[in-house]
Amino acid sequence: EVQLVESGGGLVQPGGSLRLSCAASGFIFSSHWMSWVRQAPGKGLEWVAIMNQGGSEKYYVDSVKGRFTISRDNAQNSLSLQMNSLRAEDTAFYYCVRAYFGSGDYWGQGTPVTVSS
Amino acid sequence: DVVMTQSPLSLPVTLGQPASISCRSSQSLVKSDGNTYLNWFHQRPGQSPRRLIYEVSNRDSGVPDRFSGSGSGTDFTLKISRVEAEDVGLYYCMQGIHWPWTFGQGTKVEIK
Repeated sequence: EVQLVESGGGLVQPGGSLRLSCAASGFIFSSHWMSWVRQAPGKGLEWVAIMNQGGSEKYYVDSVKGRFTISRDNAQNSLSLQMNSLRAEDTAFYYCVRAYFGSGDYWGQGTPVTVSS
Repeated sequence: DVVMTQSPLSLPVTLGQPASISCRSSQSLVKSDGNTYLNWFHQRPGQSPRRLIYEVSNRDSGVPDRFSGSGSGTDFTLKISRVEAEDVGLYYCMQGIHWPWTFGQGTKVEIK
């Protein structure tokens, strides 16, 4: 069974940093693109970042470019999102999502990030 | 960015009756490989989204056959043949061809 378990969310002040992690199991992690999708409170869904199997291709939504970094450790079956210079508008639930042929077929339960003073 | 426009945004339905959600993209979703990367997701309150349909009309494993997807190019539709109580929640269309991948605003389905 495919499982994606996020961790690392929490409360952080504006300008601060946070690192999210996603532990993957139940599939060959190194064979799949992986991504992060977020959902602000009461709002819709936004694809934040995505990367290929080996890490040579990474793409970000414009609003996080230069502040967020997606990375992975295929030996540990883990995905990370380093978030720096956080803003109030980054407050959201962050989901780890397996990307597959123009879609996200498996989603984690999400981890909440709140940026507030 | 590709804009995905859903309608209606709110859909009250009667149990056992059909329901239909429309999704229109600002650009064609047909990729050079010939596939069309249009997906539908369902999100119940307090839960993460679950994919229902991929590549316009392919149902995911475990998705009831009362759900069907259709369309081409820039116009797509999700249909529920007979709405059941468990179908309430938000439905999102999503394109996976142009980065950043984008979602529609969501359609809230509720029981009358």
